Amino acid sequence: DQQVKQNSPSLSVQEGRISILNCDYTNSMFDYFLWYKKYPAEGPTFLISISSIKDKNEDGRFTVFLNKSAKHLSLHIVPSQPGDSAVYFCAASSNSGYALNFGKGTSLLVTP
Amino acid sequence: DVKVTQSSRYLVKRTGEKVFLECVQDMDHENMFWYRQDPGLGLRLIYFSYDVKMKEKGDIPEGYSVSREKKERFSLILESASTNQTSMYLCASSQGQPGLAGETQYFGPGTRLLVL
Repeated sequence: DQQVKQNSPSLSVQEGRISILNCDYTNSMFDYFLWYKKYPAEGPTFLISISSIKDKNEDGRFTVFLNKSAKHLSLHIVPSQPGDSAVYFCAASSNSGYALNFGKGTSLLVTP
Repeated sequence: DVKVTQSSRYLVKRTGEKVFLECVQDMDHENMFWYRQDPGLGLRLIYFSYDVKMKEKGDIPEGYSVSREKKERFSLILESASTNQTSMYLCASSQGQPGLAGETQYFGPGTRLLVL
C-alpha cells in the first residue's frame, strides 16, 4: 500500500514562474521528509529535506512546506528554470527505520 | 565527494539466467539499499543491509537475493531472471537512519536491465 503519494504524474510550468509539487502521506509515524530530483539515465540526487518539528525549510530557490495535520508537503521552486526539468520524488521515513518510502514521482517540465 | 558506483549501466540477459548487479560505495557508509524504478510505480525497495552480512527484505524481495560480504559492496542477485524483472535498478547508501542526523541516501547512476 502506497504510504507516500504524489498524485500529479506531470507538471508543466513556464520559465520564471513558480513550480509547486505536492506530496501526501498516510503514515503518522513519518517524521522526516525528503525531495529527490532525477534526470533520465541518472540516479536520484538529494534536493532538500524537512523534519517534522519544522513547517518550512528553504534552500535557495527551493522551499519545502510541511503541514502535519493534513499529512501534506509541497516543494516550491522559484523561479523555475529549464534545468529544473526532471522527475521529482517525495520520500519519507520514521526514526525507527533505515529505509525511505518513495512516492511515484512527478515529472516537471519547465518551458522557456 | 560522495560516490556510489554500479558495475554496469546497461545489461541484456536471457530468461532463466543468473544475474549479478554490483554496487560499491566509497563513503564507509553502514547502510546500503537496492531499489527498482518502473514507470508509474516510482522507487520500490527490494532489499537493504544495515551492516556487513546483515540484510532485510524490502517491499518487493521476491525473485531477488543479496550479498554483503564487505562494507563497501552490496550485490543484488536475480537467481533466475524473468521478463518482469526488466527495470532500472538503483543502489543507494547512507550512514545513519534518516532524520536522526539529517542523513540522506546517496544513489548510484543505475543499471538498466533488459531480460529477453
